[in-house]
Amino acid sequence: DAGVIQSPRHEVTEMGQEVTLRCKPISGHNSLFWYRQTMMRGLELLIYFNNNVPIDDSGMPEDRFSAKMPNASFSTLKIQPSEPRDSAVYFCASGTPRDTEAFFGQGTRLTVV
Amino acid sequence: AQSVTQLGSHVSVSEGALVLLRCNYSSSVPPYLFWYVQYPNQGLQLLLKYTTGATLVKGINGFEAEFKKSETSFHLTKPSAHMSDAAEYFCAVSDQGGANNLFFGTGTRLTVIP
Repeated sequence: DAGVIQSPRHEVTEMGQEVTLRCKPISGHNSLFWYRQTMMRGLELLIYFNNNVPIDDSGMPEDRFSAKMPNASFSTLKIQPSEPRDSAVYFCASGTPRDTEAFFGQGTRLTVV
Repeated sequence: AQSVTQLGSHVSVSEGALVLLRCNYSSSVPPYLFWYVQYPNQGLQLLLKYTTGATLVKGINGFEAEFKKSETSFHLTKPSAHMSDAAEYFCAVSDQGGANNLFFGTGTRLTVIP
């Protein structure tokens, strides 16, 4: 398996623009997680899906952030409008109920200028 | 509620020296404990984990960690550091609720000096 695949790897955008980050989980995994990593706050869980349904979005910072999982093999994290403080590395991870750990993608480095 | 404390945000060791990265946890139930490694511009990779059974856990790349319930610790060690070990290391805890209940520490950046 190719692992969790995220795109793009790097994104630079201007403040106010819409940004969409994409994730393809490992085939057969029915849990999907979006994390954000910053120097100030470390690694934060933003949202967690199980069987394509959002289970816990309490980590989503504000209404500008939204996440969807239209099917078992694809998820998006959208920021609209983007702000400079959204600059971070965003990780997608997947797992199964039998797994105790999450399997991470390589991340998307977002820079909002 | 769970939490993780990693002592030392930066650790430097000489090549060939012992690596010791400290992790203390707090959990109201028997925890699952993890160490992840993050190489530059990469995602997090599982190094090792403790769930049940033997308290000394061996992972990849010669690392091991010991679960000490009395000390609420799960320190990561490697007898001899290699240049390729330079990375950021994250300790994490879950309450056995699966990956959705993973709580990460703030990370320790390991530098290996030639």
